[in-house]
Amino acid sequence: SYVLTQPPSVSVAPGQTARITCGGNNIGGKTVHWYQQKPGQAPVLVVYDDSDRPSGIPERFSGSNSGNTATLTISRVEAGDEADYYCQVCYSASDWVFGGGTKLTVL
Amino acid sequence: QVQLVESGGGVVQPGRSLRLSCAASGFTFRNYGMHWVRQAPGKGLEWVAVIWYDGSNKYYADSVKGRFTISRDNSKNTLYLQMNSLRAEDTAVYYCAKEVGALEGAPHFDYWGQGTLVTVSS
Repeated sequence: SYVLTQPPSVSVAPGQTARITCGGNNIGGKTVHWYQQKPGQAPVLVVYDDSDRPSGIPERFSGSNSGNTATLTISRVEAGDEADYYCQVCYSASDWVFGGGTKLTVL
Repeated sequence: QVQLVESGGGVVQPGRSLRLSCAASGFTFRNYGMHWVRQAPGKGLEWVAVIWYDGSNKYYADSVKGRFTISRDNSKNTLYLQMNSLRAEDTAVYYCAKEVGALEGAPHFDYWGQGTLVTVSS
């Protein structure tokens, strides 16, 4: 089974840029999606197909994917961005994989 | 607007069974693949199972294979998860999630329900 590795936590001051990584073997050859989950709530899609944003998601959220690392970048971080973030790949029809999640703390 | 509403969670003893339901509305249910994803307390997301739009194919995570069965009733716009031989490690919030259409990008989830808690304990 394919494994996605995320750092457990990332901390950033308000107004700064947060970068959350998702590592996987040749992940650049796959398509990565990102979800935001706030406490007690269901996940929400924030980036799909490596770098596209669903409607309603601020432009501050962006994504990239190359080599063995995909990255979710959140610019001009706000207190409301504090949440857990998960990357996801569909490795095959029978193998849907999530990263372990990264807790973003806004200092 | 798309709505997914799970039900059927609760407290169950190890070895017993439980059936979860997910009522869908706001989209043409029969056109989309549907999934169950779970989250153990304080843990990350774990994909559980998928069923194709017409029910023709079903796939499961190794952790539930042989014990859980995903199904759907397109006439009732409802997704199900039959969970048998439950274990303590199956304790989690269970979410149903809608898969995007084939023309909407690589496979991912665009809508999630609010989840239903299953607690397996004696």
